[in-house]
Amino acid sequence: GQQLNQSPQSMFIQEGEDVSMNCTSSSIFNTWLWYKQDPGEGPVLLIALYKAGELTSNGRLTAQFGITRKDSFLNISASIPSDVGIYFCAGPNSNNNDMRFGAGTRLTVKP
Amino acid sequence: NAGVMQNPRHLVRRRGQEARLRCSPMKGHSHVYWYRQLPEEGLKFMVYLQKENIIDESGMPKERFSAEFPKEGPSILRIQQVVRGDSAAYFCASSSYRVQNTEAFFGQGTRLTVV
Repeated sequence: GQQLNQSPQSMFIQEGEDVSMNCTSSSIFNTWLWYKQDPGEGPVLLIALYKAGELTSNGRLTAQFGITRKDSFLNISASIPSDVGIYFCAGPNSNNNDMRFGAGTRLTVKP
Repeated sequence: NAGVMQNPRHLVRRRGQEARLRCSPMKGHSHVYWYRQLPEEGLKFMVYLQKENIIDESGMPKERFSAEFPKEGPSILRIQQVVRGDSAAYFCASSSYRVQNTEAFFGQGTRLTVV
């Protein structure tokens, strides 16, 4: 089945720094979704991308849908402590019946 | 709050008991998905349902697990004769269309602990 590979697995950064994480796949995706999960909570949708090459922002977050449709990145600018959490990329399975998730990037922000 | 509602938030069951997890989708959403998350791992798809129909249950164990989404009321994930390995967070998501065309929104999850 389609696999989503996220990197890095974890990041430890200082408050105020910018963050970049990405997601790659061996298969083409028609949609890329980025979610954030806080401890003990469900994933919350951050950004949805629907077109190859699309660049979308949501506040300090920016995500891009790769031209090849096999990758996407998420950038966070000027990180703050509440950015701590796990960031997941996701995309529709090839049968379009569900979403496949990457293993996540765990972000720690030191004040 | 018109979001996806799951209950209970926490559920403790002894080995051999049954666990029933409930999910009320967002208003207007007729597509429901159940996922399981083990500690330190991503979300694994279990089952996709529309009203009164199971569309895809390829991610659900063949035994002891079942799901339904009746015409009226919430979607239910049922785990019979629970074992310690069933301990996990179970998340429900809903969407207005199939996920290739729209986003899915998640509930806060039910954390099942089997003792």
